[in-house]
Amino acid sequence: GEDVEQSLFLSVREGDSSVINCTYTDSSSTYLYWYKQEPGAGLQLLTYIFSNMDMKQDQRLTVLLNKKDKHLSLRIADTQTGDSAIYFCAAHNFNKFYFGSGTKLNVKP
Amino acid sequence: GAGVSQSPSNKVTEKGKDVELRCDPISGHTALYWYRQSLGQGLEFLIYFQGNSAPDKSGLPSDRFSAERTGGSVSTLTIQRTQQEDSAVYLCASSAGTSGGFQETQYFGPGTRLLVL
Repeated sequence: GEDVEQSLFLSVREGDSSVINCTYTDSSSTYLYWYKQEPGAGLQLLTYIFSNMDMKQDQRLTVLLNKKDKHLSLRIADTQTGDSAIYFCAAHNFNKFYFGSGTKLNVKP
Repeated sequence: GAGVSQSPSNKVTEKGKDVELRCDPISGHTALYWYRQSLGQGLEFLIYFQGNSAPDKSGLPSDRFSAERTGGSVSTLTIQRTQQEDSAVYLCASSAGTSGGFQETQYFGPGTRLLVL
């Protein structure tokens, strides 16, 4: 199966940019996703990128994909306290989704 | 409703009892997934249903776990003889089930929080 890894914690100040990193092992993964989980809530799809793209921008979110290194990142510009949550990276391989363990983002005022 | 719903939202049970967790997927979605999230852990895949095909049960941790999907819609995850290590949030997701594109994105329900005492 796929192995998806993320760092566990990230702390930033309000207004700064946040960069959350993810690595995966299977180069045949076709889609890579970022989900957000707020306390007590389910997973919310933030954005996704197809494996033949290297960048995707959606408002304050920028996803960068280095397919050679199997490295995915999520950049949140002008991070707000409402962005505090756990961010999960996921890789789509055939009909299964493989998730990382999540990165807890703490935004300090 | 527009999204995936799950019930109950919280369940407290005694060790050894059976529990049933329900998932209502988005209408028209043919693929349905169950995951488990234990405290401080990532999502663990449990089982996957796609249309009328035999489900992919490769993620079920033991034979105490089983799932059904009736009429290609509602799914029930059953845990028999619950153990304390079964305590977790159980998440259901659905997707359109067609190949390729944004349609394969999974949409998650709010989860059922199970506590086994």
